[in-house]
Amino acid sequence: GQNIDQPTEMTATEGAIVQINCTYQTSGFNGLFWYQQHAGEAPTFLSYNVLDGLEEKGRFSSFLSRSKGYSYLLLKELQMKDSASYLCAAPSGGSYIPTFGRGTSLIVHP
Amino acid sequence: DGGITQSPKYLFRKEGQNVTLSCEQNLNHDAMYWYRQDPGQGLRLIYYSQIVNDFQKGDIAEGYSVSREKKESFPLTVTSAQKNPTAFYLCASSPEGEHQPQHFGDGTRLSIL
Repeated sequence: GQNIDQPTEMTATEGAIVQINCTYQTSGFNGLFWYQQHAGEAPTFLSYNVLDGLEEKGRFSSFLSRSKGYSYLLLKELQMKDSASYLCAAPSGGSYIPTFGRGTSLIVHP
Repeated sequence: DGGITQSPKYLFRKEGQNVTLSCEQNLNHDAMYWYRQDPGQGLRLIYYSQIVNDFQKGDIAEGYSVSREKKESFPLTVTSAQKNPTAFYLCASSPEGEHQPQHFGDGTRLSIL
């Protein structure tokens, strides 16, 4: 199966920019998802990347480098409500079902 | 409004008891999934189903069972064989195929009495 690695926890200041990294196994790569999950709630879809480059969606952007097995989620103009866990997920081995990383807990402080 | 509904929100299980978690979706999605989430952990796949009357084991299927008699419904039974059932259980659905994001229910938190 897939092996997803992302940092456990990050902290940032309100109004700042933060980058959350994710590495994955490149073998059989078939796209990468980012989800946001507030404590005790359901994950919600943020972005999907299958081609190299940066995809921008408002304050959130996601980047992919297939050759390096690397992605990041960039959050700009951080708000307190952005405090959440950010899950990186990718399928592998010809399956379309993603394997999830452990999630990065982002704490935004004033 | 289309969505995916899990019930109950909280559930308590006694020793030796089987309990069933409900998951219903009205998104007309073919594929449905059950995940388990432990504190500080990612989501681990228990079972998934790509079509009615068919389902496949995920990474941690032991001690769990499912059925898929209707497209809209994918209940999960936590059996007494699951010795450590305390966790947050998430149901999801998606259109079948690549590049499709999953839509999640609000989860059921299961605890042992």
